[in-house]
Amino acid sequence: DAGITQSPRHKVTETGTPVTLRCHQTENHRYMYWYRQDPGHGLRLIHYSYGVKDTDKGEVSDGYSVSRSKTEDFLLTLESATSSQTSVYFCAISEWGDANTGELFFGEGSRLTVL
Amino acid sequence: GENVEQHPSTLSVQEGDSAVIKCTYSDSASNYFPWYKQELGKGPQLIIDIRSNVGEKKDQRIAVTLNKTAKHFSLHITETQPEDSAVYFCAGEQAGTALIFGKGTTLSVSS
Repeated sequence: DAGITQSPRHKVTETGTPVTLRCHQTENHRYMYWYRQDPGHGLRLIHYSYGVKDTDKGEVSDGYSVSRSKTEDFLLTLESATSSQTSVYFCAISEWGDANTGELFFGEGSRLTVL
Repeated sequence: GENVEQHPSTLSVQEGDSAVIKCTYSDSASNYFPWYKQELGKGPQLIIDIRSNVGEKKDQRIAVTLNKTAKHFSLHITETQPEDSAVYFCAGEQAGTALIFGKGTTLSVSS
């Protein structure tokens, strides 16, 4: 299995509080992603990173920010959590390029409940 | 950006039957189309993929077909087994740096 660790794996918080999810990889992959998974919506891309300090928005980026200060770590922050952000969050890593497939390797997921 | 539509959302088959899941995409510049399988409580895993220079690809009981003109691709599973029960996602490439996923198909194989 690809070396991807998400923390925390489970979190319950209250509306209006800040939350940070961490993704740590040991594969030295350039690309890192945050997706959220909700019933009826599948996997939706929140933000992604293509290098240290290089990030871009995905399909559903409103209410989320990210940071990548080191190759191995990608943080997802909810500045003020809302109930609509209750979801399972997946981190993924990848390499893209002529010699690489673009295959995504996913972490085990972080279940966030916002009350 | 890329938009991927996936059908059906649920699919129930008898063991030994075939299952077909279909996806359409919007970005004609996309060249990479993977399929992922997600088992309960786990992250999705790649099961097969296809690139735009190929019309069909097979791996044992699994095959993927691609029609670039119509902008659709399909996953075919033959001789289904109970362990094929899972959620399947198709995806399209966005700008060569990210994947946009369909909404998923829950496949149930009954014995």
